[in-house]
Amino acid sequence: QLQLQESGPGLVKPSETLSLTCIVSGDSVSSSTYYWGWIRQPPGKGLEWIGSIYYTGSTSYNWSLKSRVTISVDTSKNQFSLKLSSVTAADTAVYYCARLGTYGVYFDYWGQGSLVTVSS
Amino acid sequence: DIQMTQSPSSVSASEGDRVTITCRASQDISNWLAWYQQKPGNAPKLLMYGASTLQSGVPSRFSGSGSGTDFTLSISSLQPEDFATYYCQQGKSFPLTFGGGTKVEIK
Repeated sequence: QLQLQESGPGLVKPSETLSLTCIVSGDSVSSSTYYWGWIRQPPGKGLEWIGSIYYTGSTSYNWSLKSRVTISVDTSKNQFSLKLSSVTAADTAVYYCARLGTYGVYFDYWGQGSLVTVSS
Repeated sequence: DIQMTQSPSSVSASEGDRVTITCRASQDISNWLAWYQQKPGNAPKLLMYGASTLQSGVPSRFSGSGSGTDFTLSISSLQPEDFATYYCQQGKSFPLTFGGGTKVEIK
C-alpha cells in the first residue's frame, strides 16, 4: 500500500525558507513509471500545483513560484523534498506531496498534508 | 496558463439526487481532465482521469464526460459519503491547474 508522509516545520518566519520532505513507502521514487509532486492549498481556498520531479532529477515548476522553488529527490532515502524561499504570509497553506500516475499529470496518491504557517 | 472554471461553486442536494458539476477550460485540452473529491481535513482523492475513466475503486455512480473545453462530472444517486468539494484539473500543459471547486452540500 503506497503511503506518502510530509514532514517539516509547521511554522516559518517571513523571508525564510520553507522546507518539507515527503517520505514514500510502498513504492519507489526510482520507479521509471511515475513522477512525484507538490501541491498546496491556502486555508479555505483551492489547489495550486507547485512542481513535479522525476527520479532522474528532472523537474517542472509552476512559473508563478519558479524563482523561489526547488524540488529534489533522494533515491537512497526514498523521499523527495520541497524548498520555497523568501516566504510571506501568502505562502501559508496545507502542503501536499503526491504521486503522479500514468501520463505524469494526474495525482493518484496523496499525503495527508502538512500545514505550514508563515508568521513572525 | 490554462484557466479552469467550475460551476456552480456550490450545490445543495438530497440523498438520492442526481448532481452534475461543470468544468470549462480556457482552451482546448482534449480529454486531459481529472476530477478529485475532497472532504474536510483530508487530501483530495482522484475520482476520474482522461475525462471519463474511473479510477480504481471509485463507485460507478460517478461518471464523467466531455472533450475540448467543456466537461461534466455526474453523480447518479447521491450518497451520504459524497457530500464533499469536487475539483477539476487539466493535464494538457504545464502549469497543471485546478478549478476553483464545487461544494456539494446537504439540502
